[in-house]
Amino acid sequence: AQSVAQPEDQVNVAEGNPLTVKCTYSVSGNPYLFWYVQYPNRGLQFLLKYITGDNLVKGSYGFEAEFNKSQTSFHLKKPSALVSDSALYFCAVRDSPGGSYIPTFGRGTSLIVHP
Amino acid sequence: GAVVSQHPSWVICKSGTSVKIECRSLDFQATTMFWYRQFPKQSLMLMATSNEGSKATYEQGVEKDKFLINHASLTLSTLTVTSAHPEDSSFYICSAREPGGEGSYEQYFGPGTRLTVT
Repeated sequence: AQSVAQPEDQVNVAEGNPLTVKCTYSVSGNPYLFWYVQYPNRGLQFLLKYITGDNLVKGSYGFEAEFNKSQTSFHLKKPSALVSDSALYFCAVRDSPGGSYIPTFGRGTSLIVHP
Repeated sequence: GAVVSQHPSWVICKSGTSVKIECRSLDFQATTMFWYRQFPKQSLMLMATSNEGSKATYEQGVEKDKFLINHASLTLSTLTVTSAHPEDSSFYICSAREPGGEGSYEQYFGPGTRLTVT
């Protein structure tokens, strides 16, 4: 079985400060991990993914995420937040081939960047 | 990257009528598409997996006779909400997986359709 948790409903950060949106996961095998962003009344936009390789993954719009196998985490980070980063962020996980090929999404974290 | 479109982007209909939502993959062929429902400030709820040329696979608790899914071609899947009621009002999002079968990775999402049933 696969599951993902986003422990924070909302994250508040001041513009220019670093941001972190947390995500932890549970899978039977190896995880495929994803981050998506959703702006109001829009679909989800792909930010980045971890399949294999370097634990630090760089994605769109200056975002990055670090895969930590021992802590089963895949936190999303950005060194300097922008007001335009304010949106809903979803973490998703898929088990490795052989498991479910349909990802499970977290409940989402609302990021609010204050000017 | 791959682009998925949805039409309409929003629709208002009267209770008891049916509404069709289209999902198209614009620059790739998608043998599998997914339909999600999203309530305000909540995560995506997978409704069904749409497979080209075969019947859709519905998630537990989703009424297949109410939410009719047709995957007519490799670039088009439709969701028809039949006999809509106000509780069907929601944001419906489709997505398609990039070609490559189960080993493919990220999904590409449509912009969503806001359905309001009055």
